[in-house]
Amino acid sequence: DAGVTQSPTHLIKTRGQQVTLRCSPKSGHDTVSWYQQALGQGPQFIFQYYEEEERQRGNFPDRFSGHQFPNYSSELNVNALLLGDSALYLCASSLVTSYEQYFGPGTRLTVT
Amino acid sequence: GNSVTQMEGPVTLSEEAFLTINCTYTATGYPSLFWYVQYPGEGLQLLLKATKADDKGSNKGFEATYRKETTSFHLEKGSVQVSDSAVYFCALIYNFNKFYFGSGTKLNVKP
Repeated sequence: DAGVTQSPTHLIKTRGQQVTLRCSPKSGHDTVSWYQQALGQGPQFIFQYYEEEERQRGNFPDRFSGHQFPNYSSELNVNALLLGDSALYLCASSLVTSYEQYFGPGTRLTVT
Repeated sequence: GNSVTQMEGPVTLSEEAFLTINCTYTATGYPSLFWYVQYPGEGLQLLLKATKADDKGSNKGFEATYRKETTSFHLEKGSVQVSDSAVYFCALIYNFNKFYFGSGTKLNVKP
């Protein structure tokens, strides 16, 4: 059983550009959460998707948006990239009825 | 609001030493508590969890007890190994929603 997978592994973008990160949840999971982990910090919650809708959102600007597809996979989009958006972006999947989240390996985004 | 505070690192120990990493939390209601471990270049892996007061989570020789009276969830291991070198994150989740993570504690174990 494949766990949570994320693509791409690494990404380099220029300030002002837009980026899309992808996540496939663990088999059987219906909920996807996204986190931003700056270097040397703990992950910060961005938002969570369930039934193709944003269920909860952390303290991130509207430049951060997402989508969940009928097969439960998800995308994270970031517009108008800033240098401060450089971080490891983690996707976690779970069942909506469970607190137990399984994390993917992350996508390392570098903004230059 | 909800938050997690854990001791700053790095923590450097010799192999077979005793480990304690302190974690305290602030939460509305009754959260579930977790320890996650992150090895270099990898995502987070669940190490152990506790869902109610006085529960003890344990895994791979690591233990932590949910102490409501002191709002703490300290991680302990009796004898660390070089392979335990990693960053450890304390976290809480409330109402089945988002995790709140501490800032992480890096553990270095020397042979």
